[in-house]
Amino acid sequence: GAGVSQSPRYKVAKRGQDVALRCDPISGHVSLFWYQQALGQGPEFLTYFQNEAQLDKSGLPSDRFFAERPEGSVSTLKIQRTQQEDSAVYLCASSLETSFSPDTQYFGPGTRLTVL
Amino acid sequence: LAKTTQPISMDSYEGQEVNITCSHNNIATNDYITWYQQFPSQGPRFIIQGYKTKVTNEVASLFIPADRKSSTLSLPRVSLSDTAVYYCLVGGDYKLSFGAGTTVTVRA
Repeated sequence: GAGVSQSPRYKVAKRGQDVALRCDPISGHVSLFWYQQALGQGPEFLTYFQNEAQLDKSGLPSDRFFAERPEGSVSTLKIQRTQQEDSAVYLCASSLETSFSPDTQYFGPGTRLTVL
Repeated sequence: LAKTTQPISMDSYEGQEVNITCSHNNIATNDYITWYQQFPSQGPRFIIQGYKTKVTNEVASLFIPADRKSSTLSLPRVSLSDTAVYYCLVGGDYKLSFGAGTTVTVRA
């Protein structure tokens, strides 16, 4: 079946521009996650949704980062006034379960953001 | 979240068994041990998860001693396509903490 998809795969932005990154989770998956992966590092947690509710946004690095999942399926990660330190791969993952447990997370291919 | 320590890199040859040991001295009672694999330009992929003793699936085995302060991922008879970064994660909830991982390079 179809996995997690993300678009665009690559995004180049000038410093100060706003960007929007899209995630289509696996159909029927209740939980959705965003991670940020810097070059040579492991992914770092940004935020977690259960259906349309954003239950944890503790990993968002600043108030320039905003995520939403209005209908409980597709999610968008928005970064306002991008800075060079925002350059990274942004990964989206989804999982089936609703409980707060280490359920298997299925990752998309990521969006590589480069801020010039 | 329990901190994990794993080797930065490992080299192997096709057909060999690769064992990656991860240390997690501060693991909590409700923490699970999970391993993910990541290829370049792809998102991480779940390999295996365990709580104690030994877990085996079609891809790998996970060995966890009784004190649970370490774990070993075993990849049998690796091939060139197993070249990837392998992450050891310890936790009891949804917030995955990846660390830097172990880069495994398989040579012909």
